Amino acid sequence: QVDVVQSGAEVKKTGASVEVSCKASVGYIFTHNYIDWVRQAPGQGLEWMGSIDYNSGATNFAKNFQGRVTMTRDLSNSIVYMELGSLRFDDTAVYYCASRPHHYMDVWGQGTTVTVSS
Amino acid sequence: QSALTQPASLSESPGQSISISCTGASSDVGVYDYVSWYQQHPGKAPKLIIYDVNNRPLGVSDRFSGSKSANTASLTISGLQAEDEADYYCSSYTSTSTLENVLFGGGTKLTVL
Repeated sequence: QVDVVQSGAEVKKTGASVEVSCKASVGYIFTHNYIDWVRQAPGQGLEWMGSIDYNSGATNFAKNFQGRVTMTRDLSNSIVYMELGSLRFDDTAVYYCASRPHHYMDVWGQGTTVTVSS
Repeated sequence: QSALTQPASLSESPGQSISISCTGASSDVGVYDYVSWYQQHPGKAPKLIIYDVNNRPLGVSDRFSGSKSANTASLTISGLQAEDEADYYCSSYTSTSTLENVLFGGGTKLTVL
């Protein structure tokens, strides 16, 4: 059983943007949850990027990403999107979405590898 | 530099117990009972093992327990098994009047000898 499925790996040039999607599978519901985005650079720890309230669409971003990240959702298809712009080499990472019903992330996507190259 | 401080690595023998500390500040760990812990095996997504300081999700072994004192939270694993060898991350919620934030520790690599 896979509750949340993310889009596939991406390779992007510096300065470009990348969009990663996060879809709730049949039988899993995002409603009443926040959806968080967390990234992990190679060999490094977890870094919280921000969240979107699935119900209202309100967003909240970590200071490090403000102005460079957007998060949206498609209610009819149960998909959440994260777009990161002005990509740099150090944006190379695995990007995870996670469902956050309260103050913890209980269901995680499988991760999407984003590689930034020249 | 991570907002929450964890030991980088720990090791212990099978069958023993171990505690992983997570030190924050009076504005996050110290004031909110919203500390969670995640286990991550190589190449896998993190998995929630403790939430709200000391609660276990359904299906998580009761060998995992959490606690908090002042600005430091702890994860204790009893009866260590080979499968417990993984990276462990703590997380805390924090908030100001205008912004909420989620903090992670730098992670602890646990080796079961």
